This record gives sequence, structure tokens and C-alpha cells, in this order.
Amino acid sequence: DTEVTQTPKHLVMGMTNKKSLKCEQHMGHRAMYWYKQKAKKPPELMFVYSYEKLSINESVPSRFSPECPNSSLLNLHLHALQPEDSALYLCASSHAKEGGKLFFGSGTQLSVL
Amino acid sequence: GNSVTQMEGPVTLSEEAFLTINCTYTATGYPSLFWYVQYPGEGLQLLLKATKADDKGSNKGFEATYRKETTSFHLEKGSVQVSDSAVYFCALAGGTSYGKLTFGQGTILTVHP
Repeated sequence: DTEVTQTPKHLVMGMTNKKSLKCEQHMGHRAMYWYKQKAKKPPELMFVYSYEKLSINESVPSRFSPECPNSSLLNLHLHALQPEDSALYLCASSHAKEGGKLFFGSGTQLSVL
Repeated sequence: GNSVTQMEGPVTLSEEAFLTINCTYTATGYPSLFWYVQYPGEGLQLLLKATKADDKGSNKGFEATYRKETTSFHLEKGSVQVSDSAVYFCALAGGTSYGKLTFGQGTILTVHP
């Protein structure tokens, strides 16, 4: 199994809603990532988890809250988002010592109204 | 800091034409270099990589050579197909980072029959 599975594929939420994005992989990878991608732009790193511990937070606003319950799952909790947060949110995983060789999910297309 | 510069796009070619997408980088130390591809509606996929100077990465007919003297990693394919239409991202990862990739801006490739 070489897949990273993300749910949901599409999400529309209001600015007062709370929602969560989910990501799962079964490749034994111990590093997992959240990226944000705006249309026609490269992905921007948000968070990195290594061995289930948060190792990088790229100064992301607190309305985004990551969680890594175990080595296979990664969540991104969303609360009080702004319309400018509308984007494609990509999850990725890798072996912890194989920097750069990432496996990406297909993403969640998020629209904030 | 690290940076990646890709040729401006978009690039439009006829089927069976030769493809070159230029990529140059700035980095400290000895980075690993990557090409990722993003097909419409999908996440990114690793296309090829090179980890040291003069390495040649290759996959699906695409090739790129790590040129330390010119700090370049240009992507080439001898004969493109319509199915190669996608966005191509050059990226680097420095040292032993946990996949903290630095991406170029991306090049949109469209191949016409």
C-alpha cells in the first residue's frame, strides 16, 4: 500500500464552523506533513510531525490545530477560518530520515464562506 | 537560505516534441534535488530525484542531472505525450531535514495532439 488517503475530498464551511481534515497512511512512515496550496502556486509547508511529535510549525495561525493520534493518522482541526484560508490542503508522509521523498495525498479542497 | 528558480511558464508543446524545463537552485551544503509532478485534481507525485553531484535521476522517460557547477537540475524528455500535461515542480531538501522541501514556482505543461 503506497497511498496517502485524505478525507473529505471537498469541504465547504462557514467562518464560525469547526471541522477536521483527516489523513491516513499505512507505509510505516514516521514523518507526516500538512501543506497548503493555493491555485497555480507551489505547496507551502504548515506542520511536520516526526514520531508522532510536532517538530515544525511554520508560524501557522492558531485557527489551524494539528493532531497526530498515532503513527498512521494525522488530523487538522479547523476553527474560525477566514475566506483567505480557502485552498487545497495536502497531507504527505515520508520515512523520517529520507528528507524530500514525500508521498502526497490527493488533498482536501477547502472553501470558507 | 535555500531557493529554487524555475523557468517561466506555461509551456505548450505538440505531441512527440522535446521538453526542457529549467531549474536552478541556491542552497548551503549539499542538498538533494527533486522533480515533482501534479496532474489536474491530484496531489504531487515524486517524478525523480538526485542526491549528489553528477547523479542522474530518471523515470517515465524524464531525466534530470544534478549539476553542482551550474547549480542546476533541468528536466528533459525526448518525446512528450498528451498524458504528460501537468504542473512540474522542482524542489530541494537541504541536509537531513525532515522533508522541509523548498519548491520552485511550478511550470504548467500542456501537450497538444
